[in-house]
Amino acid sequence: AQSVTQLDSQVPVFEEAPVELRCNYSSSVSVYLFWYVQYPNQGLQLLLKYLSGSTLVKGINGFEAEFNKSQTSFHLRKPSVHISDTAEYFCAVIYHYGGATNKLIFGTGTLLAVQP
Amino acid sequence: DTEVTQTPKHLVMGMTNKKSLKCEQHMGHRAMYWYKQKAKKPPELMFVYSYEKLSINESVPSRFSPECPNSSLLNLHLHALQPEDSALYLCASSQDLTDLNYEQYFGPGTRLTVT
Repeated sequence: AQSVTQLDSQVPVFEEAPVELRCNYSSSVSVYLFWYVQYPNQGLQLLLKYLSGSTLVKGINGFEAEFNKSQTSFHLRKPSVHISDTAEYFCAVIYHYGGATNKLIFGTGTLLAVQP
Repeated sequence: DTEVTQTPKHLVMGMTNKKSLKCEQHMGHRAMYWYKQKAKKPPELMFVYSYEKLSINESVPSRFSPECPNSSLLNLHLHALQPEDSALYLCASSQDLTDLNYEQYFGPGTRLTVT
């Protein structure tokens, strides 16, 4: 079955330290990849997306992610985090093939907890 | 304007009540989605409308009844809910259901508590 894995349920990190949130997907078919952020008691906001082209994708708030087809990964990184980055981060995938629809498959989420 | 609005923000209802959730977007999107999100879990897709027609129903119980009165509005009618239906209900929209280049935009959600 097609799935998305976020192995880390929680990542604690100190302010101004770098962080990487991991995401792996299950299938070798063509994929579109997304990272969404959810702040407490809010909806989801798109951080960045990979559809095609350069494998290094830059998003909002200083985040970037790299698509690695051989490792079926799309890890999210930020070189220096702020307290305000504390939130839940969801990786999501659309597996696209003939007749596919815009149906997101979400990972289980990673709580990024930034400490002063 | 890339905003999806949802009303109400919070809703408390008894198991015998009938209530409705409302979602609105003015981006000209033709696909609209309802998700249910339990605490500490990812959103789960419930329904998708494409061009005002129901395209996907993820085997949702009939006590949830979606409606798309026009291309900008999406409602979710609730009746005889159970306490386990308490969750954050998210609405989303995208340009098109079958053009995968377009991301989904999410509303802030309605926090539903069933007592």
